Amino acid sequence: EPEVTQTPSHQVTQMGQEVILRCVPISNHLYFYWYRQILGQKVEFLVSFYNNEISEKSEIFDDQFSVERPDGSNFTLKIRSTKLEDSAMYFCASKDRTNEKLFFGSGTQLSVL
Amino acid sequence: GENVEQHPSTLSVQEGDSAVIKCTYSDSASNYFPWYKQELGKGPQLIIDIRSNVGEKKDQRIAVTLNKTAKHFSLHITETQPEDSAVYFCAASRPGSTLGRLYFGRGTQLTVWP
Repeated sequence: EPEVTQTPSHQVTQMGQEVILRCVPISNHLYFYWYRQILGQKVEFLVSFYNNEISEKSEIFDDQFSVERPDGSNFTLKIRSTKLEDSAMYFCASKDRTNEKLFFGSGTQLSVL
Repeated sequence: GENVEQHPSTLSVQEGDSAVIKCTYSDSASNYFPWYKQELGKGPQLIIDIRSNVGEKKDQRIAVTLNKTAKHFSLHITETQPEDSAVYFCAASRPGSTLGRLYFGRGTQLTVWP
């Protein structure tokens, strides 16, 4: 069964450093998303991406964040100048054009020290 | 924006018993309500979903009910098995926002004892 793949599974970084979280969505999917879950809190929407541009972003997704689809298979989330409060599990998701069903990856646990 | 509340936060049942998880939502315009199961070390996996034009949907041991008037929806698992143990999330989606923008509940840790 096709799945969304995320790497790395764990990332530890120092405050102020830049990190890139990587995702390979399901191959025939056209819509891509990043969500995050801070420990003990709800899973929160960050951004959606379609046709090589951001289609919607939440208030969390400020100038510190950016997304990119550098080639036909990868979808990345870059966090510049990480802060302690960026520590969270980050989930990538994708869907096709035919329905609302979202498929999630296993997540990247980001720890900012 | 939409706010989804989920109860209980933890639920323990004996194998073979039923489990019910309840969610409420705030935006009456929300029209899509998926349920996700998250096992340890894995991402959320869609197990069932329902649209607002349907009151109930069933898939084997899993069913979801929706009450649009009261703005709540529930997940029912019958004949629970130890492998049903996981965190379950409800979510809601509003029309007009980007397809795929889901508003999640906090999750319910379900433990099924053999």
